[in-house]
Amino acid sequence: SQQGEEDPQALSIQEGENATMNCSYKTSINNLQWYRQNSGRGLVHLILIRSNEREKHSGRLRVTLDTSKKSSSLLITASRAADTASYFCATGAQGGSEKLVFGKGTKLTVNP
Amino acid sequence: DAGVIQSPRHEVTEMGQEVTLRCKPISGHNSLFWYRQTMMRGLELLIYFNNNVPIDDSGMPEDRFSAKMPNASFSTLKIQPSEPRDSAVYFCASRATSGSNTGELFFGEGSRLTVL
Repeated sequence: SQQGEEDPQALSIQEGENATMNCSYKTSINNLQWYRQNSGRGLVHLILIRSNEREKHSGRLRVTLDTSKKSSSLLITASRAADTASYFCATGAQGGSEKLVFGKGTKLTVNP
Repeated sequence: DAGVIQSPRHEVTEMGQEVTLRCKPISGHNSLFWYRQTMMRGLELLIYFNNNVPIDDSGMPEDRFSAKMPNASFSTLKIQPSEPRDSAVYFCASRATSGSNTGELFFGEGSRLTVL
């Protein structure tokens, strides 16, 4: 299966701390995306990194991609209570597939 | 733009009943996806359409599930007859471009289905 797997399944930190979530996948990809889901809501796109990129930034988000290890990490710096949500990685395979396959997510709780 | 609109937001029904979930994608988007989310299996892709044409329905679990997209602004996912194991949150998502997996998906708020 191509499905990504996030690690850890759950993470609890204090406001102001950094949060790091990891994603591992099994097949060759041409891009990896991170999404956020607040409780009871739909998923919202955060950032996309292509297979030829190693690092990308967007505001307080930093994403890295290591295609040799088939892994990615999402770092949220200076976390806020409003960052409390589930975070999912989604992979787009090489070879023309239009599908995005999602992992099961990391549930992040930021305590005020 | 109002985003992807799904209805109903919540549906409670009894086993054996027909369920129809509806989705209006973002205007101008060419691709539409139906996903199902459960605690056990996470987010599963059921089917997707490009320019109103079903491209891949390999994720549809059984013949009880069917999906249509009669025009660019409307899609339905139907379950007939419904079973308790169909209980899940069903998401519709649209993407601006077809032919690639590099585009961002825009999700609706989901339809939470409970089959008793």
